[in-house]
Amino acid sequence: KQEVTQIPAALSVPEGENLVLNCSFTDSAIYNLQWFRQDPGKGLTSLLLIQSSQREQTSGRLNASLDKSSGRSTLYIAASQPGDSATYLCAVSDDNFNKFYFGSGTKLNVKP
Amino acid sequence: DARVTQTPRHKVTEMGQEVTMRCQPILGHNTVFWYRQTMMQGLELLAYFRNRAPLDDSGMPKDRFSAEMPDATLATLKIQPSEPRDSAVYFCASQLGPVGGRKEKLFFGSGTQLSVL
Repeated sequence: KQEVTQIPAALSVPEGENLVLNCSFTDSAIYNLQWFRQDPGKGLTSLLLIQSSQREQTSGRLNASLDKSSGRSTLYIAASQPGDSATYLCAVSDDNFNKFYFGSGTKLNVKP
Repeated sequence: DARVTQTPRHKVTEMGQEVTMRCQPILGHNTVFWYRQTMMQGLELLAYFRNRAPLDDSGMPKDRFSAEMPDATLATLKIQPSEPRDSAVYFCASQLGPVGGRKEKLFFGSGTQLSVL
């Protein structure tokens, strides 16, 4: 069974700092990987989707990379802002059944 | 702005009562998922449908949970009888896919916060 791990579980940084969130998965036979943001009491919002044939995706200050062979993905946030404070989750989809396996998330706090 | 709509947002009920949660997927999306989120377990997949047909409900306790899609605009998740351990946030998500073999983004609803006393 696919297992997704996110480290660290929590991260606190000062505003303006660049930061990296990590996601690792045990089975490299994935179809795609998504990064989500979850605000307290809210649902998940998809940030970036990387197909298995891609190496990275960018949206504004966010850049996500994917290395299938090593079972890793990173989410890079440039020039962090207090509004970026949220929990960030990654999820991988397997090839056959479209199941999404979620990590437990990294809770990010950006201090003003 | 297309979004997944879930009702109710909050539900408090007593043990043994029936609970029904509803989801309206984004118009045109043909795949619908039900997830449960708890602090201990994180996000767990309960069931999912494609083109209204159930593809996998192995994550769901069969004796008390049931999921259906009466039509393309409505998905339901029922718990009967409910138990305190069912207390969690239940999310519905929808997706268009696959499109030419490529799977698309997953869109989540705001969830139903369920408390079983």
